[in-house]
Amino acid sequence: AAGVIQSPRHLIKEKRETATLKCYPIPRHDTVYWYQQGPGQDPQFLISFYEKMQSDKGSIPDRFSAQQFSDYHSELNMSSLELGDSALYFCASSLTSGERDTQYFGPGTRLTVL
Amino acid sequence: GESVGLHLPTLSVQEGDNSIINCAYSNSASDYFIWYKQESGKGPQFIIDIRSNMDKRQGQRVTVLLNKTVKHLSLQIAATQPGDSAVYFCAENRGTSYGKLTFGQGTILTVHP
Repeated sequence: AAGVIQSPRHLIKEKRETATLKCYPIPRHDTVYWYQQGPGQDPQFLISFYEKMQSDKGSIPDRFSAQQFSDYHSELNMSSLELGDSALYFCASSLTSGERDTQYFGPGTRLTVL
Repeated sequence: GESVGLHLPTLSVQEGDNSIINCAYSNSASDYFIWYKQESGKGPQFIIDIRSNMDKRQGQRVTVLLNKTVKHLSLQIAATQPGDSAVYFCAENRGTSYGKLTFGQGTILTVHP
């Protein structure tokens, strides 16, 4: 079965640079979520989109922005990168059914800021 | 603040034994709970979920128990196999924030052959 696709899988950036992470949800899924996972930490919710509109917002820095496009893929844009931004970034997708919708996670993008 | 957390950070078992991983939550408004398995370098993998109107739910070799009185849930893995070695997270979805998952601290499960 098709899964969530994330690209790139690994990314190395310098401080103050920008980065763009991409997420392609499972086909027919309409909701996308972004999570950040630091070393040895649990995933922390950043932001989510439903039908191209922001549906919820967590602890996402102002330096970060995200959007969902007409084909439902999503991009997380990160500017003025800091060392502390080094982490695994996961995208998850779900199909909204009116109940608690199961979120399926992608393999993640490992971002290293030097 | 309110959080979901685990009692034990590590658990070591022998192959074939049953494993029990525990999780405590503090928000009475939580009404949906999920267990995820995360292998090294991979994303969290859905294992099983349970809604607050249930006390128990069974899947293939896994059972989740929910005790709302003491705000506790557990994941039981029967006949644990080496392939079950991973970090296990419980996560909650709170009624006031549809879709957003709050994860607890993971438990490292190691299965010895």
